Amino acid sequence: AQSVTQPDIHITVSEGASLELRCNYSYGATPYLFWYVQSPGQGLQLLLKYFSGDTLVQGIKGFEAEFKRSQSSFNLRKPSVHWSDAAEYFCAVGSPLSNTGGFKTIFGAGTRLFVKA
Amino acid sequence: DAGVTQSPTHLIKTRGQQVTLRCSPKSGHDTVSWYQQALGQGPQFIFQYYEEEERQRGNFPDRFSGHQFPNYSSELNVNALLLGDSALYLCASSLLSGRIPTDTQYFGPGTRLTVL
Repeated sequence: AQSVTQPDIHITVSEGASLELRCNYSYGATPYLFWYVQSPGQGLQLLLKYFSGDTLVQGIKGFEAEFKRSQSSFNLRKPSVHWSDAAEYFCAVGSPLSNTGGFKTIFGAGTRLFVKA
Repeated sequence: DAGVTQSPTHLIKTRGQQVTLRCSPKSGHDTVSWYQQALGQGPQFIFQYYEEEERQRGNFPDRFSGHQFPNYSSELNVNALLLGDSALYLCASSLLSGRIPTDTQYFGPGTRLTVL
């Protein structure tokens, strides 16, 4: 069965420091991969997605992620964190629905990012 | 271009009651999925609606049901509410074309349901 693992429940980073959030997935074929961000009490905002092609994906807000098939990973990175980046981050994989085409999204448990001044 | 909208924003119910949540998809989208996000967890897939039919369901009991209307909007109904149904309910819309998603899912802000 498809699954997503985010090993870090929470991470604290100093403002201006670099960030890497880890994500590992379990999936038999080429996955559709996503990173979402959720601010407190808010819905999910898509940061970036990988469907195919270049394994280094650029997203919004200065985020990027790299797909590594050999490691089944899709880690999220940002070179310099801002205080406004403090939020919950979810890695997710698109799992095809057998009845319709299309897919459902399977989420990891999330990583809470704290940013200290 | 309006994104995905959901109503109401917050809702408080008591055990045993029934609730209806509503979702309007992003303009141009024809598929609506519902997710439940319990506190401190990632969202869990409830079901997906396409062409006014439930196409696939996650691991949720029959107390959870839904509907999709001709204008692609959708409702999520939960009967016989339990304390454990307290969660943020997220609606996501997408465009289904053939068997390959032509667009990713866009999520609404959610409805916070509290069951007392």
